[in-house]
Amino acid sequence: DVKVTQSSRYLVKRTGEKVFLECVQDMDHENMFWYRQDPGLGLRLIYFSYDVKMKEKGDIPEGYSVSREKKERFSLILESASTNQTSMYLCASSPGSGTNEKLFFGSGTQLSVL
Amino acid sequence: GQSLEQPSEVTAVEGAIVQINCTYQTSGFYGLSWYQQHDGGAPTFLSYNGLDGLEETGRFSSFLSRSDSYGYLLLQELQMKDSASYFCAASMDSNYQLIWGAGTKLIIKP
Repeated sequence: DVKVTQSSRYLVKRTGEKVFLECVQDMDHENMFWYRQDPGLGLRLIYFSYDVKMKEKGDIPEGYSVSREKKERFSLILESASTNQTSMYLCASSPGSGTNEKLFFGSGTQLSVL
Repeated sequence: GQSLEQPSEVTAVEGAIVQINCTYQTSGFYGLSWYQQHDGGAPTFLSYNGLDGLEETGRFSSFLSRSDSYGYLLLQELQMKDSASYFCAASMDSNYQLIWGAGTKLIIKP
């Protein structure tokens, strides 16, 4: 069974902390994505990567960075967490190049920044 | 700008049929996907329309009309477990991004 695994289901951090969210996929997918989901706003893309060491900004990259050193792992980094980054973070992956009609999602990390 | 519009909430009765609409305004449209998300869960893929017409997968069907920039998800024989949020997402022909609708919360009453 295909799987996207996010390291934490719930996370509580303090303002100003550096936060790492990890995501691993076991499907040998080329593309990986980080979204945040807030009530009434749907899914908003933070960053995506279409290859190892490659990354592209999404719609809301400010305050975030990413790392993709290995094909199966895509990390989201909050350099200095702020309360407005409290949200559900979803990692996803998809195979191959071109369009992405089918994404596989991890179970999400609910991050609270106090 | 690029956007997808879908109703925020739809209510239906168990055993009935419900249609969730999605209209899009995008450039370089390639196809339309649908995802289901239960409260506290991750989105899971339901269906994809790359061509105009109807795609059927069990109780769920999805339809696309490119000329009308419109699609819908049809759920038949509704069950209580179908209570969830449903998202439409447009894939583009020139990049890796998806454009997402804000989601439709489906409430099913017994």
